[in-house]
Amino acid sequence: NAGVTQTPKFQVLKTGQSMTLQCAQDMNHEYMSWYRQDPGMGLRLIHYSVGAGITDQGEVPNGYNVSRSTTEDFPLRLLSAAPSQTSVYFCASSYGAATNEKLFFGSGTQLSVL
Amino acid sequence: KQEVTQIPAALSVPEGENLVLNCSFTDSAIYNLQWFRQDPGKGLTSLLLIQSSQREQTSGRLNASLDKSSGRSTLYIAASQPGDSATYLCAVDTHFNKFYFGSGTKLNVKP
Repeated sequence: NAGVTQTPKFQVLKTGQSMTLQCAQDMNHEYMSWYRQDPGMGLRLIHYSVGAGITDQGEVPNGYNVSRSTTEDFPLRLLSAAPSQTSVYFCASSYGAATNEKLFFGSGTQLSVL
Repeated sequence: KQEVTQIPAALSVPEGENLVLNCSFTDSAIYNLQWFRQDPGKGLTSLLLIQSSQREQTSGRLNASLDKSSGRSTLYIAASQPGDSATYLCAVDTHFNKFYFGSGTKLNVKP
C-alpha cells in the first residue's frame, strides 16, 4: 500500500516557467488537498477537492491551478513560477473532511524558484 | 478566519522527562483536532485525532486533550526518548473542508 505519492521530490525552476506537481493516492480517498510549508508559518492550504470533478480554493490559491479528473490523482500546476513560490509542497488525503478520519500526507516536493 | 498557535516553538529536554506541548485555536467550531509528527525532510504523520465531542485520546506514551470551549489542546508525552525528537504540529478540521495548522513545536530529546 503506497499511500500518498508525490513527484518530483526536488525541483528548481526559473522565474516564469510552469510545471506540474503530481500527487496520487491509492486509498480511495475522496478528499485531497495541497499545502505549502514555509519556515515559521506552518502549513497553508492552497487548493482542495472533495471528489472527482470538484475543487475549491484554500487560503493561498493565487498562482496555482488544480483539477481532479480521477479519484486517485490531484495535480498542482504552477502557471508562471515566482520566487515567492519557493517552498515545500505537501499533498494530503483522507476519506473526507468532517468525517473524523485522519489526514495522510505525501513526503513533499521541495521547490526552488530562481 | 481560524488561527492556530503552538507554544513553545522549540523545546529541549533530557531523556525520560514528561512534557506538554500546547495548541490553541481561535474558533471553537471545529469537527476535530489532530496532532502530527514531522521528521526532517519528511511528510507529516497523524498521531492522534480528537473528535469535537471527545475530551482526550491516548496512544501509547502520548495523550492528547481537547477543551473546545476554551480553544485549547495539549499533547502530553510521557517518559520522552531521543526517538521522539521531531516537530509536532496540531491542526483543526473546520467547516467547509478546511484544515488549519499551527507552526509546530520542534522537540529535541537529549540522551
